[in-house]
Amino acid sequence: GDSVTQMEGPVTLSEEAFLTINCTYTATGYPSLFWYVQYPGEGLQLLLKATKADDKGSNKGFEATYRKETTSFHLEKGSVQVSDSAVYFCALSEGNTGGFKTIFGAGTRLFVKA
Amino acid sequence: DTAVSQTPKYLVTQMGNDKSIKCEQNLGHDTMYWYKQDSKKFLKIMFSYNNKELIINETVPNRFSPKSPDKAHLNLHINSLELGDSAVYFCASSQTGATRETQYFGPGTRLLVL
Repeated sequence: GDSVTQMEGPVTLSEEAFLTINCTYTATGYPSLFWYVQYPGEGLQLLLKATKADDKGSNKGFEATYRKETTSFHLEKGSVQVSDSAVYFCALSEGNTGGFKTIFGAGTRLFVKA
Repeated sequence: DTAVSQTPKYLVTQMGNDKSIKCEQNLGHDTMYWYKQDSKKFLKIMFSYNNKELIINETVPNRFSPKSPDKAHLNLHINSLELGDSAVYFCASSQTGATRETQYFGPGTRLLVL
């Protein structure tokens, strides 16, 4: 079945450091790919998404490129801030006869130190 | 205006009790979900309703019973609460097809069973 694997955390960085959170997926078809972010005490919210191969999603300085050849959707940011401390979830959504189903990765906690 | 709202935000109760969590969305979406998030932040789909019909029913104890009175509401009733039910429960909604299944999450209900 479909699955999402993302790097284990926690990831601890200093402010202004470069961030990469790896995400790979397995899917039978052509899924849409997402990154969601969960700030402390809140629900998940969409950070960015890409719906087809080679698409790049971007938002708030974060970027991720849909790589079909490597089945990856790694999240990057050039310079992190303390306010980026959160849990990041990679996810895929794929349609079938039963409708769409979203599968989430296990989440990666990011701590950014001042 | 809150897009996806849940009540209550916190719920502390004794083992063996029965409790309900309510969810409402004002986005006009046709699909709603319940997720359980454990202490390690792992997010597990429990149920999904599309136009008031159950379409996803993962392996969840039958003590958990969802109910969707209309497209905008999805409630979760839990009978005979157990210690292991302690978690954060998130409601979410999405619109089939239109936004490639971007999900919109509520703020969560933090359930503690003593």
